[in-house]
Amino acid sequence: GAGVSQSPSNKVTEKGKDVELRCDPISGHTALYWYRQSLGQGLEFLIYFQGNSAPDKSGLPSDRFSAERTGGSVSTLTIQRTQQEDSAVYLCASSFRWLTNTGELFFGEGSRLTVL
Amino acid sequence: KQEVTQIPAALSVPEGENLVLNCSFTDSAIYNLQWFRQDPGKGLTSLLLIQSSQREQTSGRLNASLDKSSGRSTLYIAASQPGDSATYLCAPRGSNYQLIWGAGTKLIIKP
Repeated sequence: GAGVSQSPSNKVTEKGKDVELRCDPISGHTALYWYRQSLGQGLEFLIYFQGNSAPDKSGLPSDRFSAERTGGSVSTLTIQRTQQEDSAVYLCASSFRWLTNTGELFFGEGSRLTVL
Repeated sequence: KQEVTQIPAALSVPEGENLVLNCSFTDSAIYNLQWFRQDPGKGLTSLLLIQSSQREQTSGRLNASLDKSSGRSTLYIAASQPGDSATYLCAPRGSNYQLIWGAGTKLIIKP
């Protein structure tokens, strides 16, 4: 696609429910990143994928968070048993390569999650 | 551990002024440094990417410089316009794959 696409753009859910956030990276981009941005805060790294593999999951806040990527393209971030502190904007980014000096990151518009 | 500081935290200037946003980082072992802008409620838009071997990059009214040895980058905006109002973020990429983020400079251009 022309840019990184994320869905839903807004999600309101009740505490305890599961949510899935989707990211469709730029076509041909092998690296994919998930970040979280709480209100008025900086970006918090969650996880990145190289192809379908996630070499580093250390940024995931708890075991309620998981992510997968299939076909080296679309990625899904799943949050189980949501809590109010999970409320944030979840941003996805992709780049053509990682760990090289050509890896310019391109971001989606984000998915705003509100947990009531 | 890489730490990134952006100064000023906020800046409000009249339209038409030239301005400079500063970014400093503690670990000079970086692959590149990327400047982004973020509009309220939006994602991040990549502005410029400077490789570690480069000294500056230009795109339109924007010019970014990099002095890796001193751990500094500046973003110069010429002839500022109200549409430039946003938060500007710098993010150096270090020896791992991760970008380290500054807290940003919130820029307001007054018509």
